[in-house]
This record gives sequence, C-alpha cells and structure tokens, in this order.
Amino acid sequence: NAGVTQTPKFQVLKTGQSMTLQCAQDMNHEYMSWYRQDPGMGLRLIHYSVGAGITDQGEVPNGYNVSRSTTEDFPLRLLSAAPSQTSVYFCASSPGHEAFFGQGTRLTVV
Amino acid sequence: EDKVVQSPLSLVVHEGDTVTLNCSYEVTNFRSLLWYKQEKKAPTFLFMLTSSGIEKKSGRLSSILDKKELFSILNITATQTGDSAIYLCAVPQGGSEKLVFGKGTKLTVNP
Repeated sequence: NAGVTQTPKFQVLKTGQSMTLQCAQDMNHEYMSWYRQDPGMGLRLIHYSVGAGITDQGEVPNGYNVSRSTTEDFPLRLLSAAPSQTSVYFCASSPGHEAFFGQGTRLTVV
Repeated sequence: EDKVVQSPLSLVVHEGDTVTLNCSYEVTNFRSLLWYKQEKKAPTFLFMLTSSGIEKKSGRLSSILDKKELFSILNITATQTGDSAIYLCAVPQGGSEKLVFGKGTKLTVNP
C-alpha cells in the first residue's frame, strides 16, 4: 500500500544549490501535483501534470521546474535554492477531485 | 480569481465540546468541495460534497454544503484530543483537477 512516496523527508540546502524532490505513485493516476505549505498560507500549487509529457504552472511556479516522463514519477527541481523556498513540500496524485498526498519533504534553505 | 476562505483560523476547545468549522468559496464551474484533516504530516481526505443540502457523516464528523450561499460547514461533536489538527477545505479550480485550498482552521482540543 505505498500510495504516494516522497523522498527525502528532510533536506537542508545552502543558498544557490540545486536539488530534486522525488515523488512516485503506484495508483496509476494521471493527475499529479506539487504544493508548498507555509505557516498561515495553506497549500499553494506549484506545478501540476495531467499525464505523462504534460505539465503546467500553478500559483507559485517561480524557481521550480518539473517534468513527467512516466505516469508514476513527478520530480520537482529547485534550480537555485533561495531562503524563500524554505517550506514543506507535498506531492499529490488524484484520480479525479480527491487528492492523495505524500508524507511531505521539509526543506530548509540557509 | 477562484478563492476559498476558512474561518476561524484557529480554535481552542475542551474535550466534549462541539465545533463548527466554516468554508466559503468563489469558483467558476463549481463541481465539488473537499475537506481534509492534517495532523503532523500529510493531509488526509475526509469528505467530498457535490450536492447542496446533503449531509455527509463519518462517526462524530459531518459536513453539509450550501451551493446557493457558497459555503460548507464541518461539524465535530463530542471532540477528543485526537481531533486536534488543521482542517483544510478545497475546491477544484475552474472545472479542472487543480485544487484551491483555504488557509485552514487549526483546531486544538484540550483535555
């Protein structure tokens, strides 16, 4: 019963470093998305994908890239980390409206 | 612009109290409204409402949707400390699968 798996769970980066947050789902959902959660801000959509090879921007896409080469995987890349990207990141997949979330990645940029 | 507004933003109650959490929304092409519970980690799905006036129940939790007045409420009766969490409301944006979330209500239930 893996569901949505995110790695790593925790990460500390220095300003300017790049990294990739991994997300994989085993439910064969076409729709996948990345959110960030900051205190008092709720969940904000970064990027999303409606299927392999198709991605689009959400509400807060700047500083992030995504790709979707398979149905299962949807990695999120931080190109040049900034302290403003310190946050908790959630990946989600969905068969329709109901989203299933991964356990989150807590990222700190120093 | 689609938006979801939750109130109150935080709430502290004693065990056994009944609480009502509010969610109002403005969205084009409304299809559904979802409630999630978030404890320490990932949000977990509670309810999805699509029709007005129909109550969804699961144990001590219940929710109802008013499509005319554009809001939903989540009721929790006989609260327990395990109900302490952030409760999130979300609606799909513009007929898509993109979810727009409210800022959440942080519920604290004290023994």
